[in-house]
Amino acid sequence: SQQGEEDPQALSIQEGENATMNCSYKTSINNLQWYRQNSGRGLVHLILIRSNEREKHSGRLRVTLDTSKKSSSLLITASRAADTASYFCATASSGTYKYIFGTGTRLKVLA
Amino acid sequence: DARVTQTPRHKVTEMGQEVTMRCQPILGHNTVFWYRQTMMQGLELLAYFRNRAPLDDSGMPKDRFSAEMPDATLATLKIQPSEPRDSAVYFCASGSRGPHTGELFFGEGSRLTVL
Repeated sequence: SQQGEEDPQALSIQEGENATMNCSYKTSINNLQWYRQNSGRGLVHLILIRSNEREKHSGRLRVTLDTSKKSSSLLITASRAADTASYFCATASSGTYKYIFGTGTRLKVLA
Repeated sequence: DARVTQTPRHKVTEMGQEVTMRCQPILGHNTVFWYRQTMMQGLELLAYFRNRAPLDDSGMPKDRFSAEMPDATLATLKIQPSEPRDSAVYFCASGSRGPHTGELFFGEGSRLTVL
């Protein structure tokens, strides 16, 4: 069974709007990572947040982590058409390297 | 520009044939993962290695799948015999840090079609 579940499954927004995706997971973790996948390509790492962090920023990305609720959110601000992709969260149970990916959110940004 | 290299990028084969997919991890990375991606199941972890030793292959159908790391520069995933339900994109990823900090670097994938 998968560790993470993303919500929503699909999201369509206009360029310039913000996009928010959520991820829930099941066990204690060391960190949570977000990845992006363009159609037909491999996954690319976006950002990592450690279990003792609550929020992290990287450019137009903002990630939050709530370990009490076992959930995380990824916010992309001022979205661009080039942000169109699928976004996945990934977690590994504490002390393991077993990174499990969520179901992904397909984001479409309309120009 | 360091990257994970996977071959072949595309493979079409007939049911019952053996399929071997290869992965060259980034030099210096000591953790290698194999994932399978389908529309129905999403990204499934098949197996992963640390310092060439298999740590977990519980996600892999044991009767037909095998994964090995003959050396630090090569990981292989073999399916014998292949079945139509094996049709998917297979990704290899490598990493160099521990479970607390490591990001994964993915290859472009091997798209397998079994007829």
